[in-house]
Amino acid sequence: RKEVEQDPGPFNVPEGATVAFNCTYSNSASQSFFWYRQDCRKEPKLLMSVYSSGNEDGRFTAQLNRASQYISLLIRDSKLSDSATYLCVVNPSGGYNKLIFGAGTRLAVHP
Amino acid sequence: GAVVSQHPSWVICKSGTSVKIECRSLDFQATTMFWYRQFPKQSLMLMATSNEGSKATYEQGVEKDKFLINHASLTLSTLTVTSAHPEDSSFYICSVGQGANQPQHFGDGTRLSIL
Repeated sequence: RKEVEQDPGPFNVPEGATVAFNCTYSNSASQSFFWYRQDCRKEPKLLMSVYSSGNEDGRFTAQLNRASQYISLLIRDSKLSDSATYLCVVNPSGGYNKLIFGAGTRLAVHP
Repeated sequence: GAVVSQHPSWVICKSGTSVKIECRSLDFQATTMFWYRQFPKQSLMLMATSNEGSKATYEQGVEKDKFLINHASLTLSTLTVTSAHPEDSSFYICSVGQGANQPQHFGDGTRLSIL
């Protein structure tokens, strides 16, 4: 089983749609969680950290369910510029230790 | 977040050449930097953790004699791909973490093509 699993997509949605991405992780002791976005042939950029209480940043909402080892990202009112690959990222043991990346979910927003 | 600069952005060279990639932390003194590799349509895979003033920690399956890492200062880590071959062609990215449980911030990446 992969340490971090995501639905690869692609998700093809019209502008204005709401879309949700899911992610599961295998290590129940994982300490911190993030969503990154990666544009084609570019480096990943931090979208948001994910907190146990859930958190929102504008049109983006992240949720964490530790019991189910499940992380989600909700994008409301999709824009063309949201088209990218969204990476679910987990720090399995805290500290400076390595991040584990999911394979990413591709989103394509069309007019 | 930390500002990370990576150089060069693109490298195209012949098989057998050694290639050095630099990663600089411009606004943060980084005792630890990370080197990743990403093949097309695949996820980022951690290659090694670069530790200032000491040896790097390599992930399983990564040849330390082929991928030489030097982290001589708090702002610079280098990755040298020695005697590169076509199968080493990939996107190499470095990152800096600013503290425990903090996200990492990435350099622009280096696209390496070995002919």
